[in-house]
Amino acid sequence: RKEVEQDPGPFNVPEGATVAFNCTYSNSASQSFFWYRQDCRKEPKLLMSVYSSGNEDGRFTAQLNRASQYISLLIRDSKLSDSATYLCVVNISFQKLVFGTGTRLLVSP
Amino acid sequence: GAVVSQHPSWVICKSGTSVKIECRSLDFQATTMFWYRQFPKQSLMLMATSNEGSKATYEQGVEKDKFLINHASLTLSTLTVTSAHPEDSSFYICSAHGGRGGTDTQYFGPGTRLTVL
Repeated sequence: RKEVEQDPGPFNVPEGATVAFNCTYSNSASQSFFWYRQDCRKEPKLLMSVYSSGNEDGRFTAQLNRASQYISLLIRDSKLSDSATYLCVVNISFQKLVFGTGTRLLVSP
Repeated sequence: GAVVSQHPSWVICKSGTSVKIECRSLDFQATTMFWYRQFPKQSLMLMATSNEGSKATYEQGVEKDKFLINHASLTLSTLTVTSAHPEDSSFYICSAHGGRGGTDTQYFGPGTRLTVL
């Protein structure tokens, strides 16, 4: 079983749509959780950290369910510029990040 | 946020040659840097953890004699791919731990695309 699993997509949505991505992780000792965004042939960039209480940053909302070992990302009012691959990332020990394979999002006009 | 640079951004080399990639933290000191590799349509895979002033820690399956890591200062780590072969062609990305973001934050370099002919 992969340490971090994501649906690879692609998710094709029109502008303005709401889209949700899910991610599961296998290591119950995982300490912190993140969503990164990666554009084609570029490095990943931190989108947001994920907390048990849930957190929101503008159009983006992240949730963590430790009991189910499940992380989600919700994007509201999708923009064309949101098209990218979204990486679920888990910190399983001191600074060791494990990346999911990513979920590809395509937002169309 | 903090800035991490990598050099070169891309390199094409012949099979059997060695390639050195530099990773620099530009505006903060990084006691720990990480080297990742990403093959097409796959996730980033951690290769090794580079600690300033000590030996790097390699992940299982990564040959330490092939991927030489040197972290000689608090702002520079280098990865040398020795005797590169076509299967080493990949996107190599470094990250540095530290900066103003706090202990949990890793800042990624822009990556180096290596093509071995």
